[in-house]
Amino acid sequence: QKEVEQDPGPLSVPEGAIVSLNCTYSNSAFQYFMWYRQYSRKGPELLMYTYSSGNKEDGRFTAQVDKSSKYISLFIRDSQPSDSATYLCAMSRVDSGGYQKVTFGTGTKLQVIP
Amino acid sequence: DTGVSQDPRHKITKRGQNVTFRCDPISEHNRLYWYRQTLGQGPEFLTYFQNEAQLEKSRLLSDRFSAERPKGSFSTLEIQRTEQGDSAMYLCASSLSTGGTEAFFGQGTRLTVV
Repeated sequence: QKEVEQDPGPLSVPEGAIVSLNCTYSNSAFQYFMWYRQYSRKGPELLMYTYSSGNKEDGRFTAQVDKSSKYISLFIRDSQPSDSATYLCAMSRVDSGGYQKVTFGTGTKLQVIP
Repeated sequence: DTGVSQDPRHKITKRGQNVTFRCDPISEHNRLYWYRQTLGQGPEFLTYFQNEAQLEKSRLLSDRFSAERPKGSFSTLEIQRTEQGDSAMYLCASSLSTGGTEAFFGQGTRLTVV
């Protein structure tokens, strides 16, 4: 079993829809949770970064962490065609050497149709 | 541009040749990471530096791979005797060592081994 599971999609929605992207994880040691957006042939771009359970909002984006269920979500309100990209969840924990180690999900490909 | 810079952006090489990639992190960041990403997959951790010290290497990093970060500034990733399976996007990221693990990525080097 992978430490981080993410549905690869593709997910296709009409412009203006609310998008829900999710990841589950198996290791309760994960402490930091991140969402990255990656356009085709580009490097990942950090969107949201959270530490604790609960919600964090930034414009049209809301990140949600439920540590008890080992489940994180990214919601995109009023989705735009420019949101079409692959969204990667990532989370980090302290490894045996005492350093933070980041593990990524496989990414969900999102297409917003005008 | 004050972001993470990678060079070259694209590299096509013949099987068996050696290749070297360069990463220039954000100037005040003392952590530097190398990841590999194949099509449809999330980034996979390869190795990680704290200043000039290489602290961790993934099992993915075979003996043909070597990474350096002289003087704790830029880093190089060398692949010797390239194989077709080495074809991938090689991503570099950097972060501060204090606080969380908010990492910023470069645009990546896309390697094609023919």
